[in-house]
Amino acid sequence: AQSVTQLDSQVPVFEEAPVELRCNYSSSVSVYLFWYVQYPNQGLQLLLKYLSGSTLVESINGFEAEFNKSQTSFHLRKPSVHISDTAEYFCAVRSNFGNEKLTFGTGTRLTIIP
Amino acid sequence: SQTIHQWPATLVQPVGSPLSLECTVEGTSNPNLYWYRQAAGRGLQLLFYSVGIGQISSEVPQNLSASRPQDRQFILSSKKLLLSDSGFYLCACRDGYTFGSGTRLTVV
Repeated sequence: AQSVTQLDSQVPVFEEAPVELRCNYSSSVSVYLFWYVQYPNQGLQLLLKYLSGSTLVESINGFEAEFNKSQTSFHLRKPSVHISDTAEYFCAVRSNFGNEKLTFGTGTRLTIIP
Repeated sequence: SQTIHQWPATLVQPVGSPLSLECTVEGTSNPNLYWYRQAAGRGLQLLFYSVGIGQISSEVPQNLSASRPQDRQFILSSKKLLLSDSGFYLCACRDGYTFGSGTRLTVV
C-alpha cells in the first residue's frame, strides 16, 4: 500500500516570492510521482512527473520538483510566484505495477497575495 | 496526446433518482480508465478502474457502479442517489496521466 502526505492544507504567499509545497510519500515498492494543479471548478492538469532518470523535474511554467528517495519526498518549488498560480495542488504517487492507480494527497491550496 | 471528454459539467439531482455520467477518451486505444471522486475539501478517492471492455474493479463499497461498454467509453451510474454521493467526479486515463474536466454532482 502507498500513501501521500501533504502537510500544508493552505499556503499564502506574496506575489513574486518563492514557494515550496511539501509532499511526502510512503511505499514499499518503487514509485512514480506526480504533481497536479486544479483551478476552481476545473479538472486536474498534470504539472510535472518523475518516472525515472534525473531527480529534478521541471514544468513549462516555472515549477520544479525534486525526488528525494532517502527522505521519501517530492516537494514542489517555484522561485517567484504569480497571481495566476493561485490554485490547489495535489501530489500523487503510483506504483509501477498492478492497476497503476494514482494515490493522492489531500491537496494544498496556494493563495497568492498581491 | 489524449483528450478526455466528460459530461455533463454540472448536475443537480434529487435523492433517489438515477445517475449516468459518461466519459470518452480520444487519442489512445485500450487505455486503463479510472473514476475518481473529490468531496468538498478533500483529496481524490479512486472509485473504479477498468483495464478493458467489460472489466471493472471497484476500490470502495458504495452506491455507485461503473461500466465499460466500448474501448474508449467509461460510464458511472447509480440506481438511487444518496446525499453522500455529492461531489466532483473525474475520469482519468492511464496514458498521459490525463484527467477530464469533471462533473460536479449535487444531490438535493
